[in-house]
Amino acid sequence: GAGVSQSPSNKVTEKGKDVELRCDPISGHTALYWYRQSLGQGLEFLIYFQGNSAPDKSGLPSDRFSAERTGGSVSTLTIQRTQQEDSAVYLCASSLAQGSSGNTIYFGEGSWLTVV
Amino acid sequence: QKEVEQNSGPLSVPEGAIASLNCTYSDRGSQSFFWYRQYSGKSPELIMSIYSNGDKEDGRFTAQLNKASQYVSLLIRDSQPSDSATYLCAVRGRSGGSYIPTFGRGTSLIVHP
Repeated sequence: GAGVSQSPSNKVTEKGKDVELRCDPISGHTALYWYRQSLGQGLEFLIYFQGNSAPDKSGLPSDRFSAERTGGSVSTLTIQRTQQEDSAVYLCASSLAQGSSGNTIYFGEGSWLTVV
Repeated sequence: QKEVEQNSGPLSVPEGAIASLNCTYSDRGSQSFFWYRQYSGKSPELIMSIYSNGDKEDGRFTAQLNKASQYVSLLIRDSQPSDSATYLCAVRGRSGGSYIPTFGRGTSLIVHP
């Protein structure tokens, strides 16, 4: 596609429920990132995928968070047993292949998650 | 631990003035530097990238990089009210073999008429 596509754009869920957030990166981009941005805060790195390599999960805040990327393209971020502190914007980004630190990353419009 | 520091602001400048935004970073291995603009309620959008020491100009924007001092700045000339946004500095390098960009918390810029 023309840009990074995320869905849903908005999600309100009850505490304790599981949620899935989807990201479709720019066509041809093999690197995919998930970040989280809480209200008024900076971008917090969550997880990084590069091609078929094992993902870098070092930013995931707890074992309630997981992500997968199927076929090297679409990624799903899953949050189990959601808590109110999970309320944030979840931003997905993609870039061209690793090998050059200069490759720009492009963001999707984000998925706004509210846990009530 | 890679750190990217920005003054949170807000930085308030009058319309037509030059806005100067600064960013420092801790990882000397950093190789690429980006400035993103984020309007309230929107996702970050890339303004400029810079990889070499010195200045890089693009329209009203100039990015400045000094690797020896580990800082990068963004100058906005002839500031407009539409430039009012949060500006995020991002740094990317090869620390630990990872190209994951680290972002600062952003500087809020207000351009008043």
